[in-house]
Amino acid sequence: GAVVSQHPSRVICKSGTSVKIECRSLDFQATTMFWYRQFPKQSLMLMATSNEGSKATYEQGVEKDKFLINHASLTLSTLTVTSAHPEDSSFYICSAREGRRDTEAFFGQGTRLTVV
Amino acid sequence: GESVGLHLPTLSVQEGDNSIINCAYSNSASDYFIWYKQESGKGPQFIIDIRSNMDKRQGQRVTVLLNKTVKHLSLQIAATQPGDSAVYFCAEDRGYNNNDMRFGAGTRLTVKP
Repeated sequence: GAVVSQHPSRVICKSGTSVKIECRSLDFQATTMFWYRQFPKQSLMLMATSNEGSKATYEQGVEKDKFLINHASLTLSTLTVTSAHPEDSSFYICSAREGRRDTEAFFGQGTRLTVV
Repeated sequence: GESVGLHLPTLSVQEGDNSIINCAYSNSASDYFIWYKQESGKGPQFIIDIRSNMDKRQGQRVTVLLNKTVKHLSLQIAATQPGDSAVYFCAEDRGYNNNDMRFGAGTRLTVKP
């Protein structure tokens, strides 16, 4: 299957700083990328959907100024958690889909963010 | 609101037995469904998918059944192995006008040797 690389896998940052998470599709062009957040023992919660070259569509309750998403190319999307606080600590996962809407989305390995 | 949910949050089976994991969805416009497996600390892995014009699809040791009448999806794993222990999620693609993919609550499958 196609490969999606997410980096970093783990990051610890201080409150008030910003953290950038990268999601790359290695062997395909991702027209759509999804960003999810996952709390322990819970499901993946969709944060936003981004299409290459356009603004991301955020889910209700997700602050777009807090979670900045950039999908500037067909192989890279970034999520920046701005002015991070301890409550932002979570597991963040990206996925990418090529082309058609009703096709498989491939997932990155996730990023464990800890804000201290 | 619209959601994808699961009937059973945990499932424990004996090695070699068959497993059935269920999922209910509420959006009648959803037309594509995927089952994912997630191991601890990792991203979800694709298992099998099904489109709404089908009611059954088989893979290697896995079968997905779709009942659109009652909006129900199930994943059957044959001859369950210890390596199948993980959390299983169904994901729902909510139709032509919605380019997103939403996940159900998840079922933790534990396989006893």
